[in-house]
Amino acid sequence: NAGVTQTPKFQVLKTGQSMTLQCAQDMNHNSMYWYRQDPGMGLRLIYYSASEGTTDKGEVPNGYNVSRLNKREFSLRLESAAPSQTSVYFCASSEGSGTPIGNQPQHFGDGTRLSIL
Amino acid sequence: AQKVTQAQTEISVVEKEDVTLDCVYETRDTTYYLFWYKQPPSGELVFLIRRNSFDEQNEISGRYSWNFQKSTSSFNFTITASQVVDSAVYFCALIAPFSGGYNKLIFGAGTRLAVHP
Repeated sequence: NAGVTQTPKFQVLKTGQSMTLQCAQDMNHNSMYWYRQDPGMGLRLIYYSASEGTTDKGEVPNGYNVSRLNKREFSLRLESAAPSQTSVYFCASSEGSGTPIGNQPQHFGDGTRLSIL
Repeated sequence: AQKVTQAQTEISVVEKEDVTLDCVYETRDTTYYLFWYKQPPSGELVFLIRRNSFDEQNEISGRYSWNFQKSTSSFNFTITASQVVDSAVYFCALIAPFSGGYNKLIFGAGTRLAVHP
């Protein structure tokens, strides 16, 4: 009964380092999302994937790249980490595909706490 | 513009008190969806409820109830006989059109609820 699994749970990076956050879901959902959560700002969408093989930018995509490896997995990459990217990152998935998507409840992973020094 | 406002930043109650969390939304769309999520101290986001704009019936689930009023653009959440385990940050969210046929989930800033024994 895993749902959405994110790894790692915690990570500390130095400025300029790169890293990939992993996300996998076992609910056979078509749509997957990456958010960042900053104090007092709720969650903001970084990238989303409406279906396997497609990815699109969200509200705050700069400094990030994503890969929808298959239906289950959606990874987020920081190529050159900056202190402004210190945040808690959440992956989510939902049912549905086609247009429009996003009306179904999104199910979230436990988050990755990322600190960039 | 679409927006979700949770005016109560923090609420503190004593166990067994009833508590209402306010949510006011803005959207020009006639079809929209509203959500509540719970984020306990452990950090994960837990989906609680989804309501579409055509269904104004109030909903009750155990000690939780939701009051949706289109006339005041509000979707308030009441916890009856609160318990310490209800301590969490609660987010209200709105589905709104974004781009490319995707509906973006817009979060409020959250209300931190502390229930004391």
